Amino acid sequence: DAKTTQPTSMDCAEGRAANLPCNHSTISGNEYVYWYRQIHSQGPQYIIHGLKNNETNEMASLIITEDRKSSTLILPHATLRDTAVYYCIVRRSSNTGKLIFGQGTTLQVKP
Amino acid sequence: EAQVTQNPRYLITVTGKKLTVTCSQNMNHEYMSWYRQDPGLGLRQIYYSMNVEVTDKGDVPEGYKVSRKEKRNFPLILESPSPNQTSLYFCASSAETGGLSYEQYFGPGTRLTVT
Repeated sequence: DAKTTQPTSMDCAEGRAANLPCNHSTISGNEYVYWYRQIHSQGPQYIIHGLKNNETNEMASLIITEDRKSSTLILPHATLRDTAVYYCIVRRSSNTGKLIFGQGTTLQVKP
Repeated sequence: EAQVTQNPRYLITVTGKKLTVTCSQNMNHEYMSWYRQDPGLGLRQIYYSMNVEVTDKGDVPEGYKVSRKEKRNFPLILESPSPNQTSLYFCASSAETGGLSYEQYFGPGTRLTVT
């Protein structure tokens, strides 16, 4: 599975959009981009995933560049409850199902 | 409500006393997995199961056992716990099969302390 690079931390004002970048320059054609978050030692929570097209669900939007070497997770109206560690994971279906969690980005939403 | 449950949520035990952490999912998922999370090391996979009676080692299986007798349950067994197994444990499940990739659902975690 391709390695990802994320900023260590980011701040965002409450009510504003939070844009979390992720670089995955070695991604393969059959690898998906997944985003999970973990709120203070709770179980990681799935947010969104995509292959090449932009995706949107009730939680967030995922923008993947045309060359697929980077992506951005967008939380359109961040709230204090969105303060968490956000993990960008690139993976394909595998026999182990293993998710490789890097260090992630600690997003601090401030009032 | 679709969910993964773990019990107990918190456990303090002593070295050598066998314990079991239960995990159950109500989504009819075939795939289940156990992770441990330690400061500075992130989440690491302990064991996983692709289906009933099919289990395999993850990255850090030493000192752990699992079983998968029913689709919904995947207990983690520590036959002789040691202090280095003090950690935060997560169970996960997914509809993932060998050919398709799906999101994984995680339980709330079990914080284990071995003294």
